[in-house]
Amino acid sequence: EAQVTQNPRYLITVTGKKLTVTCSQNMNHEYMSWYRQDPGLGLRQIYYSMNVEVTDKGDVPEGYKVSRKEKRNFPLILESPSPNQTSLYFCASSLVSAHSYNEQFFGPGTRLTVL
Amino acid sequence: AQSVTQLDSQVPVFEEAPVELRCNYSSSVSVYLFWYVQYPNQGLQLLLKYLSGSTLVKGINGFEAEFNKSQTSFHLRKPSVHISDTAEYFCAVTRRGAAGNKLTFGGGTRVLVKP
Repeated sequence: EAQVTQNPRYLITVTGKKLTVTCSQNMNHEYMSWYRQDPGLGLRQIYYSMNVEVTDKGDVPEGYKVSRKEKRNFPLILESPSPNQTSLYFCASSLVSAHSYNEQFFGPGTRLTVL
Repeated sequence: AQSVTQLDSQVPVFEEAPVELRCNYSSSVSVYLFWYVQYPNQGLQLLLKYLSGSTLVKGINGFEAEFNKSQTSFHLRKPSVHISDTAEYFCAVTRRGAAGNKLTFGGGTRVLVKP
């Protein structure tokens, strides 16, 4: 089954304790992206990757890191989490083509609470 | 850059009544438009999309939306709602012709269907 998976689905942690949220897709997609969802703000892009070893900042990258060492995986790293990073996080992936639409597939979400 | 405004943060509606969710966007380039739905404690599901052609787009679960280029709007409608339509709805756009698929979302509209 074609899908985007995220782990963990729920996480409660404390300020300053490094954590990683994993994202994996089995569709051979080049493009992967992380979003955070906050009440009243919708989803905002944190980082994205156009392919292996190619990553770039989205709209709200502060406090986050990413890596893309393999095509299927795109982990989100919080080196020193703070309470303002409490949010619902979504990973997404799609094919890349310059002149046509490619549907973006979303993972199930990771609910993170930073105390 | 693009921006999306959903004009209503919450819409209470009685079962079997019609509902309209309003979405306006701003962009200096042509865009594709989308509506996503998020049921309680679930991920995002694509309801419908406008890529080109007819400005009236039909989606899943009886929803439809109309693209109005002159008013830069993409309002979502359903003629008769069910209790199961209780969810949060997000309007989103992405730049037409961009190799990547960054989605810009509105703040969301919570629909509460009352019996």
